[in-house]
Amino acid sequence: DSGVTQTPKHLITATGQRVTLRCSPRSGDLSVYWYQQSLDQGLQFLIQYYNGEERAKGNILERFSAQQFPDLHSELNLSSLELGDSALYFCASSTTGTGSDTQYFGPGTRLTVL
Amino acid sequence: DQQVKQNSPSLSVQEGRISILNCDYTNSMFDYFLWYKKYPAEGPTFLISISSIKDKNEDGRFTVFLNKSAKHLSLHIVPSQPGDSAVYFCAAYFGNEKLTFGTGTRLTIIP
Repeated sequence: DSGVTQTPKHLITATGQRVTLRCSPRSGDLSVYWYQQSLDQGLQFLIQYYNGEERAKGNILERFSAQQFPDLHSELNLSSLELGDSALYFCASSTTGTGSDTQYFGPGTRLTVL
Repeated sequence: DQQVKQNSPSLSVQEGRISILNCDYTNSMFDYFLWYKKYPAEGPTFLISISSIKDKNEDGRFTVFLNKSAKHLSLHIVPSQPGDSAVYFCAAYFGNEKLTFGTGTRLTIIP
């Protein structure tokens, strides 16, 4: 158990809908990362937050947004969903959010868009 | 553009033998490399890392080798055990840039 929790575990929705994925980091970790893993793809970095502020942005679509709240949990909002958004979404956390910091991953949310 | 490549999607190894997982990268700026292991229905877990100033790092049964001139790293597992069956991702970064992951290699250890 990494100490990172993600809810829900599974999510099935229809095209055009909006969903919110939630992540609680390990106790004491200030940084949260979001990744997307599509079929046969590696983990694609989406976005990173550190202590409530956006720190780095990856290949995140404009239809997607995220935030980190004062209690350090984070939410990833996906809107106008398309079939291609079906994927595993992982959240990770680390202490300082710097490159050398080990990232601890949650179990992921599997999103299926029908 | 896939900057970190794992060209073998899968690998099967007999229990007790050596497992060698390979990873190639194209960005010469990368200066830190990591291996993550992932079981089904779980998130990736950190396994071992290596800085670009080293060419080898060992942790128990796991050894990572880095060949900077070839832009190649490998993970050796000796001896392989059934519990090592998982998907292995290599990842790399430089400075405070994002971690870039490979596509993963599924390792199956045959009893």
